[in-house]
Amino acid sequence: QKEVEQDPGPLSVPEGAIVSLNCTYSNSAFQYFMWYRQYSRKGPELLMYTYSSGNKEDGRFTAQVDKSSKYISLFIRDSQPSDSATYLCASDSWGKLQFGAGTQVVVTP
Amino acid sequence: NAGVTQTPKFRVLKTGQSMTLLCAQDMNHEYMYWYRQDPGMGLRLIHYSVGEGTTAKGEVPDGYNVSRLKKQNFLLGLESAAPSQTSVYFCASNLQGLNTEAFFGQGTRLTVV
Repeated sequence: QKEVEQDPGPLSVPEGAIVSLNCTYSNSAFQYFMWYRQYSRKGPELLMYTYSSGNKEDGRFTAQVDKSSKYISLFIRDSQPSDSATYLCASDSWGKLQFGAGTQVVVTP
Repeated sequence: NAGVTQTPKFRVLKTGQSMTLLCAQDMNHEYMYWYRQDPGMGLRLIHYSVGEGTTAKGEVPDGYNVSRLKKQNFLLGLESAAPSQTSVYFCASNLQGLNTEAFFGQGTRLTVV
């Protein structure tokens, strides 16, 4: 069983909607949590990261971590067609960077 | 500044053949990683390295070997390729491993027939 679990989707939303993405993890040692975005046939790129529990906001993106329930979330407000990509959650424990399966998001005009 | 460069970008192998994938980074990063990406499975860690001369097993190490003889290079070897190793392989690197952005290469698409 993977230490970071994520629903692969796909998730299709209309332009302007809020996109809600979630992951769960099993290793209590995880401290750093990240979201990567991957466009088709490209390598992943870091979108956001958070440390321990709490929220972090960056423009239209908000990342949340709840360590008590081992739950990681990413919200995208006012979604745009350019947000269509695969979003991967990841966690870092002492140099071992591990990823979820990735959720494919399609934002339709 | 090239970042992380993977060679080759595409390769077709016959079952039983061997090959080496090369990852090179020019950012002086300590940590380097090899992942494979398969539909529905996401990125799975094969091997990683926390510095020159070191390697460690990840989630799916069987059938692969790695070497980190130089800080800037991380090699992934397949000694006897199998169809189950058909995948997209990504190399990544970061400065410390903790709380630092990992930079990825563009990927190597490997097909084993």
